[in-house]
Amino acid sequence: DGGITQSPKYLFRKEGQNVTLSCEQNLNHDAMYWYRQDPGQGLRLIYYSQIVNDFQKGDIAEGYSVSREKKESFPLTVTSAQKNPTAFYLCASRPDRGWTSGRAPTGELFFGEGSRLTVL
Amino acid sequence: AQSVTQLGSHVSVSEGALVLLRCNYSSSVPPYLFWYVQYPNQGLQLLLKYTTGATLVKGINGFEAEFKKSETSFHLTKPSAHMSDAAEYFCAATPWAGNLIFGKGTKLSVKP
Repeated sequence: DGGITQSPKYLFRKEGQNVTLSCEQNLNHDAMYWYRQDPGQGLRLIYYSQIVNDFQKGDIAEGYSVSREKKESFPLTVTSAQKNPTAFYLCASRPDRGWTSGRAPTGELFFGEGSRLTVL
Repeated sequence: AQSVTQLGSHVSVSEGALVLLRCNYSSSVPPYLFWYVQYPNQGLQLLLKYTTGATLVKGINGFEAEFKKSETSFHLTKPSAHMSDAAEYFCAATPWAGNLIFGKGTKLSVKP
């Protein structure tokens, strides 16, 4: 079945270590997103990519990095510069590029199951 | 700035009672609107969406929402709550420019 796969589901990290969260989609969607979720704060956008080899910072990009070398893959690296990395991370994709493509968006976001990162 | 406001971070209802979760958006032009549900330690699942056309939108699991332009609202309702409805619900909007904007979520508890 088509969908979005995030791995690992749970990850523990020591302070000072970089970790990479995987996100793969087989929906043939153009756009992909990374969100961070903390209790009571909703979803905050970290990075997004509307096309291969291009990505933009979201609202809380500091301490994170991404790449988009393939349409189906959008990994997120949580670097040691991220001061408070313990959170639930959600990857999402969208079939279109939203209003920036020059036409009305046709689809909602599709989410993966999330990855919970805990810093020890 | 565009925003989505969900009134009430926690809502508690009895099983069989009406569920009403409130969502208001700020926009001079009606955006596309969505409701998502999230169960613990899982991703978000789309409940329903409004794009154009009929303002009363029906979704999965018996939920529906009504788009009211005059009130800039998109409240989510379900006539009779079930224990399995206990989850966190997020309202979201796609404005004319930019990405999806989410509300902070409302946790729904269902009492037996």
